[in-house]
Amino acid sequence: QQQVKQSPQSLIVQKGGISIINCAYENTAFDYFPWYQQFPGKGPALLIAIRPDVSEKKEGRFTISFNKSAKQFSLHIMDSQPGDSATYFCAARGGGGGADGLTFGKGTHLIIQP
Amino acid sequence: ETGVTQTPRHLVMGMTNKKSLKCEQHLGHNAMYWYKQSAKKPLELMFVYSLEERVENNSVPSRFSPECPNSSHLFLHLHTLQPEDSALYLCASSQLGGNTEAFFGQGTRLTVV
Repeated sequence: QQQVKQSPQSLIVQKGGISIINCAYENTAFDYFPWYQQFPGKGPALLIAIRPDVSEKKEGRFTISFNKSAKQFSLHIMDSQPGDSATYFCAARGGGGGADGLTFGKGTHLIIQP
Repeated sequence: ETGVTQTPRHLVMGMTNKKSLKCEQHLGHNAMYWYKQSAKKPLELMFVYSLEERVENNSVPSRFSPECPNSSHLFLHLHTLQPEDSALYLCASSQLGGNTEAFFGQGTRLTVV
């Protein structure tokens, strides 16, 4: 049973455009929602994260929008650049403060065309 | 440099071999994790160690055996693996509680032949 559903599986955006990746979760006990960026041959690296009591968080060109009632959250990358081309994973942490580990979406392969 | 170091980076082993993956974190965290990353599947949590005690084992086959001798080191012992176990094995660490993210190592690319 997949507890975090991520879409789209792949995404192509023109340079300067907005990249949008969506995730939905089922478990209402999740208390922390990070996004990870992964380049080929590298481990995932934290990009930005949000807690469910906040509806939006912005860090530079990256914004998370969170809808608690709909159990959905999304990543927006503004002014997308070729260097943003990577695989992006949304994740959710159980209510155990980290002792439950993270549940990941399947990932989105993002390509930014110059 | 993420502060989490995994060795080896690549490993090819036969189905009858015994090998171990090593992970070391330099972040002072008190929880460590093993994840499996296969093509077209989400990262799968395998094991969690919290304060050096194993707290999670997501129905992982016994051919995978974790060991956490102290809060900075984590091992994954492998024996009699199957070709479908070929994947990227990722180690992560975090500080329990609060707004603390998990930091990942670069992974060990395992190929079982």
